[in-house]
Order: sequence, then C-alpha cells, then structure tokens
Amino acid sequence: EAGVAQSPRYKIIEKRQSVAFWCNPISGHATLYWYQQILGQGPKLLIQFQNNGVVDDSQLPKDRFSAERLKGVDSTLKIQPAKLEDSAVYLCASSSPGQGYEQYFGPGTRLTVT
Amino acid sequence: QKEVEQDPGPLSVPEGAIVSLNCTYSNSAFQYFMWYRQYSRKGPELLMYTYSSGNKEDGRFTAQVDKSSKYISLFIRDSQPSDSATYLCAILRGAQKLVFGQGTRLTINP
Repeated sequence: EAGVAQSPRYKIIEKRQSVAFWCNPISGHATLYWYQQILGQGPKLLIQFQNNGVVDDSQLPKDRFSAERLKGVDSTLKIQPAKLEDSAVYLCASSSPGQGYEQYFGPGTRLTVT
Repeated sequence: QKEVEQDPGPLSVPEGAIVSLNCTYSNSAFQYFMWYRQYSRKGPELLMYTYSSGNKEDGRFTAQVDKSSKYISLFIRDSQPSDSATYLCAILRGAQKLVFGQGTRLTINP
C-alpha cells in the first residue's frame, strides 16, 4: 500500500513570497489533514477535510493560508504572503472514516522563510 | 492550560535500559490515547493506542493510562539504538482530531 505522498520535500523562500504544497493521501482515505510542526514542537492541526468539505479550520491563519481538496483526493496548502514565523515542517496525513486515532503521515515539506 | 503536556527532554540512556516517557492531559472526557514515533526527517507513525484506561503491551513497548491522575506513559524495555526518535503522545478530541504533546527526543546510546 502506497503511503501519503508530499511535494516538494524542501522549500526556501523569502518573506512576503508565496508557496504551495501538494499532498496525495492513501487511496480510499476520506479524511485528510494538514499539520504545521515547528522545530521542537508537536504537530499542530491547521485544517481537516472530509472528502471535499472542510471539517475544522479553526487554527488556520486564514489571512495568509488557504487549502483546497479537489475531487476529494489530492490537496494543496498555500501560504501567501509568507512570514518568518511560517518556517516549519508541513505534514499531510490521512485516515479512514472512524479511524481518526490512526493517521498516516507523509514525510512533510520543510519550509524555510528567510 | 494545554490539553496535552509532555516533557520535551532530551532523554539519553544506554542500550538495554528501560525508558519511561510521560504525558499529562487536561480533560477527563478523553478516551483515546496514542503514542506516535517520529524519526528524523520523517512523518510521525502510530506506535500504540489505548482506549480508556489500563495497560496495553506490544513486544518491548507498554502503554499505560491512569485516568484518575490524567497521566499517560510509554515504557520501552531492552531499549535499542533503533528506538532513537522523538516520541509524541496524543489524545483524540472528538471523532478524528489529534492533539499532540510537544514530543520527547530520545537517544539510545550503544
């Protein structure tokens, strides 16, 4: 079974630039999550999708972050404009319905904002 | 008050030692408790989960939940260098939302 795929793996941008991350979840997983993991901290949920719909985006900084999940499969997370404090690893995860405790994570995208 | 609190360490022990990793949580309504392991430059992976209270054992790993004190623990017996990683405790809030602790960085020295 293929795992969660993410790209790019690394990205360096200057502040005020924009950046986008892509995620392909495990086939058949209806629930998709984006997390932000700052160095030395645990992952923090940014947004959760159930199929195409947003279930929880309460911690997403909506003035600069946006996310979409087209056709209930792949997802993109965008930051525009980036700030220095956005430097982090952005993790995508997916799970089967009713199995929220068992989330499968991708390798993450390491973002550095200079 | 944070929902889950975890001592960030770092923790360094010799090979073969017993390791104890701990977290506290704030809400007695939580029922699912997880331990995820994260190797360097990888995403977290589920190691063990416990529903409600009690112990759960899987090989060298034991997860323990004490609901009276809101305390969760992970014990690693006969620790190996391959166990070196960051260990994240997590609780399940609602049906599908994980809330993670800060993570404890563990190093097992040969």
